[in-house]
Amino acid sequence: LAKTTQPISMDSYEGQEVNITCSHNNIATNDYITWYQQFPSQGPRFIIQGYKTKVTNEVASLFIPADRKSSTLSLPRVSLSDTAVYYCLVGDLPRVSSASKIIFGSGTRLSIRP
Amino acid sequence: EAQVTQNPRYLITVTGKKLTVTCSQNMNHEYMSWYRQDPGLGLRQIYYSMNVEVTDKGDVPEGYKVSRKEKRNFPLILESPSPNQTSLYFCASREVADTEAFFGQGTRLTVV
Repeated sequence: LAKTTQPISMDSYEGQEVNITCSHNNIATNDYITWYQQFPSQGPRFIIQGYKTKVTNEVASLFIPADRKSSTLSLPRVSLSDTAVYYCLVGDLPRVSSASKIIFGSGTRLSIRP
Repeated sequence: EAQVTQNPRYLITVTGKKLTVTCSQNMNHEYMSWYRQDPGLGLRQIYYSMNVEVTDKGDVPEGYKVSRKEKRNFPLILESPSPNQTSLYFCASREVADTEAFFGQGTRLTVV
């Protein structure tokens, strides 16, 4: 699975848009990009997944440039409850042969202030 | 409601006393796995299972056992716990051909 690099931490304020960028220079053709959110003492929760261009759901948007070597998770109008650790994962997860691995890096610790 | 349920949520035990952490999912997922989470080390996979009676080692399997006799259950067994197994443990399940994993609430284990 491709290695990912994210900022260790970020700070923002309520009502702001937050963008967290993940670098994955060695992403393979069949790899998907997936983001998880984890609150303290809880299990990670799936946020969004994409392959290319832009994906949007009720929680976030995911922007993936044409070369796919990076991706940006965008959280619109954050609130205090968005304070969490955000993990970027890259892998060919839908394939059975690689189903064993969902590798979490260190993630980005996002802190939202009033 | 889709759920992955772990028990117990908190456990303090002594070195060498066998324990089992249970994990159950109600989504009929083939794939289940166990992770441990430690400060500075992130989430590391212990064992995983592709289906009933099919299990394999993850990145940190030493000191752990698992079994998958039924699709819905995937218990984690510590035959002789040691203090270095003090950690926060998570069970997860998902469809094999899907990327969205569902995690349990976690089990905080302390071995003294």
